[in-house]
Amino acid sequence: NAGVTQTPKFQVLKTGQSMTLQCAQDMNHNSMYWYRQDPGMGLRLIYYSASEGTTDKGEVPNGYNVSRLNKREFSLRLESAAPSQTSVYFCAILRGGAQYFGPGTRLTVT
Amino acid sequence: GQSLEQPSEVTAVEGAIVQINCTYQTSGFYGLSWYQQHDGGAPTFLSYNGLDGLEETGRFSSFLSRSDSYGYLLLQELQMKDSASYFCGYRARDDKIIFGKGTRLHILP
Repeated sequence: NAGVTQTPKFQVLKTGQSMTLQCAQDMNHNSMYWYRQDPGMGLRLIYYSASEGTTDKGEVPNGYNVSRLNKREFSLRLESAAPSQTSVYFCAILRGGAQYFGPGTRLTVT
Repeated sequence: GQSLEQPSEVTAVEGAIVQINCTYQTSGFYGLSWYQQHDGGAPTFLSYNGLDGLEETGRFSSFLSRSDSYGYLLLQELQMKDSASYFCGYRARDDKIIFGKGTRLHILP
């Protein structure tokens, strides 16, 4: 998976709590992505970063913020979690024409 | 805007050939990619088309026609382990990548 790591693997939050999902790559790739996946909805792009210092909104950015801390790390923050944000979150990097995904974070908001 | 359409489910027999189609409406198109995802796992890269034509990788091939805004994934000599979901992904010039909703492939023995 081209060395994409995500933490945590699982998380349970109460409505209104905040948390940050971490993503790191061990290769020197410019573009990084955050997706969420819900049953029957495929992968939906939340935010992406085409290079260090830049971030852009994807299809479903509301309720999320991101930080491209450096070339290696791209974090996703939920400031006030809602049950609608219960999902599996995947981070990915782009190498050539191929994306490589991290193992995912399974988030439940109660 | 950008959107991709692919069938929600396809069923095929072990040993056969199956084609999964993907049509897209986009602006600033740069390439089309394909991914496989088994239940509980992360998507894994299969193939990428930056130019029109056929790309072949073992039992998997992918085709792109920019003029028709259409591509497909072809899986040959189907095996039971190919039972999974398959996603096509559209890449824009700024590296934005969005996906279709996925095609669930069922393989019968």
